[in-house]
Amino acid sequence: AQSVAQPEDQVNVAEGNPLTVKCTYSVSGNPYLFWYVQYPNRGLQFLLKYITGDNLVKGSYGFEAEFNKSQTSFHLKKPSALVSDSALYFCAVRDMPSSNTGKLIFGQGTTLQVKP
Amino acid sequence: DTEVTQTPKHLVMGMTNKKSLKCEQHMGHRAMYWYKQKAKKPPELMFVYSYEKLSINESVPSRFSPECPNSSLLNLHLHALQPEDSALYLCASSQEGWTRTYEQYFGPGTRLTVT
Repeated sequence: AQSVAQPEDQVNVAEGNPLTVKCTYSVSGNPYLFWYVQYPNRGLQFLLKYITGDNLVKGSYGFEAEFNKSQTSFHLKKPSALVSDSALYFCAVRDMPSSNTGKLIFGQGTTLQVKP
Repeated sequence: DTEVTQTPKHLVMGMTNKKSLKCEQHMGHRAMYWYKQKAKKPPELMFVYSYEKLSINESVPSRFSPECPNSSLLNLHLHALQPEDSALYLCASSQEGWTRTYEQYFGPGTRLTVT
């Protein structure tokens, strides 16, 4: 069965510093991986995805993620954090990628706090 | 445009009430989803519609009844809910089929409180 783990409940970083939010996955076959962000009392916003191709994926708001097959990881990164990046971040993997409907398996979420 | 809209934003209902949540998208997506989310937890999938047909029901209690009247609309009918059903209900859509791009786009959610 597909699964995703986010090992950190919370990540704290100072504004202007680089940030990393970790995600590891366990899948059979090739993984289809996603990052979403959720601001308080809002829905989830799609940030980026890895389906195939370059291991470094660039997404919205200056975020990027690095797919590492040997370490089964898909960490989210940003070179310089903003206070406005403070939110709840979810990593997800698509269950049964070849199927016509894409059930997402979510990690437990990581709260990012960026302090001024 | 990657917008999914949901109405109402907030809903308070008693355990004997009947109410409905509405979701709409105009991105031409043919898969639509209902999720339930508790505070600071990941969304839990409830239902998936693919080409207006119910394709996944994650063993959701019958007091939740989904409906997909057309390719742009998704409803969730609520009846005889319990206080533990209080949550944020999220709708999402994705482009499936031969041109699928895989990511799901979420609406802002309906905050449901059952009293």
